[in-house]
Amino acid sequence: GAVVSQHPSRVICKSGTSVKIECRSLDFQATTMFWYRQFPKKSLMLMATSNEGSKATYEQGVEKDKFLINHASLTLSTLTVTSAHPEDSSFYICSARGAFLAGGYNEQFFGPGTRLTVL
Amino acid sequence: SQQGEEDPQALSIQEGENATMNCSYKTSINNLQWYRQNSGRGLVHLILIRSNEREKHSGRLRVTLDTSKKSSSLLITASRAADTASYFCATDGGAQKLVFGQGTRLTINP
Repeated sequence: GAVVSQHPSRVICKSGTSVKIECRSLDFQATTMFWYRQFPKKSLMLMATSNEGSKATYEQGVEKDKFLINHASLTLSTLTVTSAHPEDSSFYICSARGAFLAGGYNEQFFGPGTRLTVL
Repeated sequence: SQQGEEDPQALSIQEGENATMNCSYKTSINNLQWYRQNSGRGLVHLILIRSNEREKHSGRLRVTLDTSKKSSSLLITASRAADTASYFCATDGGAQKLVFGQGTRLTINP
């Protein structure tokens, strides 16, 4: 159980285009989803936190208009990289947290990641 | 901001040996978690240790936590080639957000 998928796993696009990445919790309802960015041989940097039905909370330095996040349902969040440029090339990973334990600790489950290459 | 620092950044050992990785953090935490990441893949959750715990075991993994020193260690015993991966610690300070360390790249040589 607790599987998170991402689609696509890999995407190559031209500079100036927009790319949408989907994150789905397959067998649980995700009250909160997180989006991370990872550069080669580096750690994960949290970009934003999204709760179903409300606006995402972005980390300092992350452009809201550049990285649009929509958490329209309890099983789906999308990250759209708008007007992508080569410097947006990165590995994007989502995670999802459910509400299995009322009052307890609910861990995050990570998707397999999406590698974005902007030419 | 990243608050976890891990050392070593890279570790290469022979199969069968034990591997120890360390993680330090800066602020108070509710728990600390260790993850594994194979190259180009997502994260696999290994173990969670709560702030009131000092040691935890899971199979060949042993995690310690010293909140007075704000540090944790991950020990992998009897390493195998399949353990080759990057290992990250992540702290949860109670704001629902995980803050990841820089990671240790572990290579197990057959």
